[in-house]
Amino acid sequence: DAKTTQPTSMDCAEGRAANLPCNHSTISGNEYVYWYRQIHSQGPQYIIHGLKNNETNEMASLIITEDRKSSTLILPHATLRDTAVYYCIVRAPSGSARQLTFGSGTQLTVLP
Amino acid sequence: ETGVTQTPRHLVMGMTNKKSLKCEQHLGHNAMYWYKQSAKKPLELMFVYSLEERVENNSVPSRFSPECPNSSHLFLHLHTLQPEDSALYLCASSSSGNLAGELFFGEGSRLTVL
Repeated sequence: DAKTTQPTSMDCAEGRAANLPCNHSTISGNEYVYWYRQIHSQGPQYIIHGLKNNETNEMASLIITEDRKSSTLILPHATLRDTAVYYCIVRAPSGSARQLTFGSGTQLTVLP
Repeated sequence: ETGVTQTPRHLVMGMTNKKSLKCEQHLGHNAMYWYKQSAKKPLELMFVYSLEERVENNSVPSRFSPECPNSSHLFLHLHTLQPEDSALYLCASSSSGNLAGELFFGEGSRLTVL
């Protein structure tokens, strides 16, 4: 599976958009980009995933570059409850979740 | 309510004790997982069950023994643990196939081994 690179930490002002980058320059053509987040002392929470096209759901938007070597998770109006570690993961569609390898992620702190 | 319930939420045990962690999912999923999260470390996949059959065992010491009696329940039996086994143990479930990347996690069981 392709590896991902994320900044260790980021701050964002409450009410502003939080843009979390992820580099995955070795991604294969059939690998999806997944985003999860983990609020302190809780289990991780699935946010969104995509292959080529940009995706949006009630939680966030995922922007994938045309060459698919990087992506950005966007939280349009960050709240204090969005403070969490955000994980960017690439995974092929086949097989089980053993291919979901969680790295160190980005600690997002939303500031009042 | 995440649909995945873990009990107990906190457990303190001595190295000679035998205890079990329980996980129950109400989502109709057919795959269940145990993850370990130690302090300052990424999540580590321990075991994967698909349709009640163990399909993954990531070189986990035998002092951890999983059990999956049906697709809704998953146990992790613990015996003669070491202090370094203290961690947050997370259970997750998913559907199979293309949806297998969408894991639903429980709140975790915080284990402390004295």
